[in-house]
Amino acid sequence: GENVEQHPSTLSVQEGDSAVIKCTYSDSASNYFPWYKQELGKRPQLIIDIRSNVGEKKDQRIAVTLNKTAKHFSLHITETQPEDSAVYFCAASSFSGSARQLTFGSGTQLTVLP
Amino acid sequence: NAGVTQTPKFRVLKTGQSMTLLCAQDMNHEYMYWYRQDPGMGLRLIHYSVGEGTTAKGEVPDGYNVSRLKKQNFLLGLESAAPSQTSVYFCASSYSGPGGFYNEQFFGPGTRLTVL
Repeated sequence: GENVEQHPSTLSVQEGDSAVIKCTYSDSASNYFPWYKQELGKRPQLIIDIRSNVGEKKDQRIAVTLNKTAKHFSLHITETQPEDSAVYFCAASSFSGSARQLTFGSGTQLTVLP
Repeated sequence: NAGVTQTPKFRVLKTGQSMTLLCAQDMNHEYMYWYRQDPGMGLRLIHYSVGEGTTAKGEVPDGYNVSRLKKQNFLLGLESAAPSQTSVYFCASSYSGPGGFYNEQFFGPGTRLTVL
């Protein structure tokens, strides 16, 4: 099955700096790569996603890049703010059993220091 | 729309007790999922359903059973709870988009379960 590795597990940045989180996946047939943000005690919420036919996608301060050849994708947050502090999860969608499923990375705790 | 809801929010069980977690969605989604979240391990899929009356095993199905008698509801059962099942449980739902692509999963608020 699919295996997703996420790095780093913790990341601290100064407010205003950029943050980058990287994920690798194993199944070359994976075709959808979402990123979720989870604040303490809350549910995961989708912040951006990318499909395999696109190399890059941007939404204001957040961008995601995908390199299908190397099987890795990254989340970029620019001009970080304290409210960006949360756990971020990457995921990859692959076909297993009777449907496509999401396999999640282990998460990155991002702390934005004021 | 309420989106995805879960009942209960918190529960404490003793080893060997049973319980059922309820997930409901009002978005007419075909797919529903149960995950467990443990510290440092992300979200792991327990069971999922691709439609009313269907269920399938995910990555960590042992010790759990599920049922999807109605399209909007997905139940997760623990027949004999064990301390290893202490976790936060999330339900999610999604629809199957065009071309076989996998669309956004919408998560419920979670159930924090402690097994003593």
